[in-house]
Amino acid sequence: EAGVAQSPRYKIIEKRQSVAFWCNPISGHATLYWYQQILGQGPKLLIQFQNNGVVDDSQLPKDRFSAERLKGVDSTLKIQPAKLEDSAVYLCASSGRRTSGTETQYFGPGTRLLVL
Amino acid sequence: AQSVAQPEDQVNVAEGNPLTVKCTYSVSGNPYLFWYVQYPNRGLQFLLKYITGDNLVKGSYGFEAEFNKSQTSFHLKKPSALVSDSALYFCAVRVSTDSWGKLQFGAGTQVVVTP
Repeated sequence: EAGVAQSPRYKIIEKRQSVAFWCNPISGHATLYWYQQILGQGPKLLIQFQNNGVVDDSQLPKDRFSAERLKGVDSTLKIQPAKLEDSAVYLCASSGRRTSGTETQYFGPGTRLLVL
Repeated sequence: AQSVAQPEDQVNVAEGNPLTVKCTYSVSGNPYLFWYVQYPNRGLQFLLKYITGDNLVKGSYGFEAEFNKSQTSFHLKKPSALVSDSALYFCAVRVSTDSWGKLQFGAGTQVVVTP
């Protein structure tokens, strides 16, 4: 079974530029998550999708971050404009059909973003 | 609000010795607890989880964890550490009463296993 795919793996941009990350979850997984992992910290949830609907985006900085999952499969996370503090690893994860929160999340390799 | 603490930034252990990585949690409700491992430049890999039932949970690569409700702890253990176990370990918690509930991660513990 193929895992969660993410691209690009690395990205370097200047502040105020825009950037987009792509994620393809495990086939059949209804729930998709985007996390931000700043160096020295644990991952922090940015947004959670159930199929193509958002169920939690309470920690997404909506003035600069946006995400979509139009067909309920792959997803794109965008930052526009980027700030220095956005330098982090962006992790995508997916899990099977929602039950009662017991499902395991499976993570992709992440995209390492450096904002100069 | 739910939270999880990993009190040790780093754990050093000699190969062949027992390994313990500590985790304590705080939730208002029954917890679902998870352990993940992260190798350099890789995503998080699932090790094991506690949902209900037996307090001792066995997972991948010889790891196990013990759920202790009275001490609100979920420590990760391995009887005999390998050099290849050197990595960053994360504990995470989710509240059972919220099926949309986000997974709250600890800050991570770096494990260094020396030959």
